[in-house]
Amino acid sequence: ETGVTQSPTHLIKTRGQQVTLRCSSQSGHNTVSWYQQALGQGPQFIFQYYREEENGRGNFPPRFSGLQFPNYSSELNVNALELDDSALYLCASTPRPGTDYNEQFFGPGTRLTVL
Amino acid sequence: QKEVEQNSGPLSVPEGAIASLNCTYSDRGSQSFFWYRQYSGKSPELIMFIYSNGDKEDGRFTAQLNKASQYVSLLIRDSQPSDSATYLCAVKSSGGGADGLTFGKGTHLIIQP
Repeated sequence: ETGVTQSPTHLIKTRGQQVTLRCSSQSGHNTVSWYQQALGQGPQFIFQYYREEENGRGNFPPRFSGLQFPNYSSELNVNALELDDSALYLCASTPRPGTDYNEQFFGPGTRLTVL
Repeated sequence: QKEVEQNSGPLSVPEGAIASLNCTYSDRGSQSFFWYRQYSGKSPELIMFIYSNGDKEDGRFTAQLNKASQYVSLLIRDSQPSDSATYLCAVKSSGGGADGLTFGKGTHLIIQP
């Protein structure tokens, strides 16, 4: 069984630029969630995608957007990067949404540094 | 505002002893509770989940849930140096819509050889 994969591993951008992060979900999992984890903090929920549509969103501005593709892989796009966007970006997949059985399995993450 | 609170630590425990990690949550509608382990520079790894009041055991790990007190704990028996990590408590509220988890800031656990 293939786990969750993410690319790239590390990324350095400058303030105002745009970035795209990618995620492939675990085999058999059709739902992908994205989280931002700042240093010393727990992960914060950005949004979730199910059947290629945004299924829910946390407290993040519209410059954070995403996509899900028919093969369940996903992208996170961040426009107009700010210094505070520097963080570990985590993708998590789960077999199905909308139930209480919501075990989420994380990929290795992408470390984004904004200068 | 849904909140999950954990003592940030560090919590230092001798090798072979029981490590006890605690978590409280604010949303009474929360239905699912998860413990993740995160090594420095790595992503969180799911180690336990619990949905019903009481205890759930898996190997050296026991999760305890008390919904009336809005309290979740994780016990690690026979602690090993490899258990040294940050332990994140995560909570999912019931209902439809987003299935995002709300995480605490984590407890840094150190197992002393």
